Amino acid sequence: DVKVTQSSRYLVKRTGEKVFLECVQDMDHENMFWYRQDPGLGLRLIYFSYDVKMKEKGDIPEGYSVSREKKERFSLILESASTNQTSMYLCASSPRLGIAGTDTQYFGPGTRLTVL
Amino acid sequence: QQPVQSPQAVILREGEDAVINCSSSKALYSVHWYRQKHGEAPVFLMILLKGGEQKGHDKISASFNEKKQQSSLYLTASQLSYSGTYFCGTESVEAAGNKLTFGGGTRVLVKP
Repeated sequence: DVKVTQSSRYLVKRTGEKVFLECVQDMDHENMFWYRQDPGLGLRLIYFSYDVKMKEKGDIPEGYSVSREKKERFSLILESASTNQTSMYLCASSPRLGIAGTDTQYFGPGTRLTVL
Repeated sequence: QQPVQSPQAVILREGEDAVINCSSSKALYSVHWYRQKHGEAPVFLMILLKGGEQKGHDKISASFNEKKQQSSLYLTASQLSYSGTYFCGTESVEAAGNKLTFGGGTRVLVKP
């Protein structure tokens, strides 16, 4: 079974703090993704990576950065957390960058971040 | 731009049917459907590729009309286990093989 794990299920931080969210997958997947989930807005893509040290902006990258130093690990960084970044953050991975259709994504359990 | 899902929520009795629609403003290469149960990660249900293919997963099936840029998910003879939030993820032709854009979700509650 594919396993995607996230470092924390719940996190509380203060405005202005630097926040690191970690994601690890154990299936040697090339692609990794970070989403935020808000009621009524579904899953919105923040950043994704299709290879080590490669990253691409998603639909809402402002206020976030990412790091992928190893294939299995993808980190989301909030340089200076703000209250509007309070949300559920989901990490996902997929096996390949499909030419004939994007491949299935496997999601982690999520981190609920509250910024006070 | 995110695809639009409708309805936003539906309540069913066990055994009833429901349809969830997903419409995009972009030309699509594929549509993916996921289900998320409360407090859990989204789980993949099925992929539909352009070509009007219809797929099924147990008594859950889906269709994809690429000309209309929309997909529909059919919950037939619903079971309690079908409760959850359903998301469509669309892969646009311009970004094929790149990323998915998810809709806002449809909350489904199946009652006994």
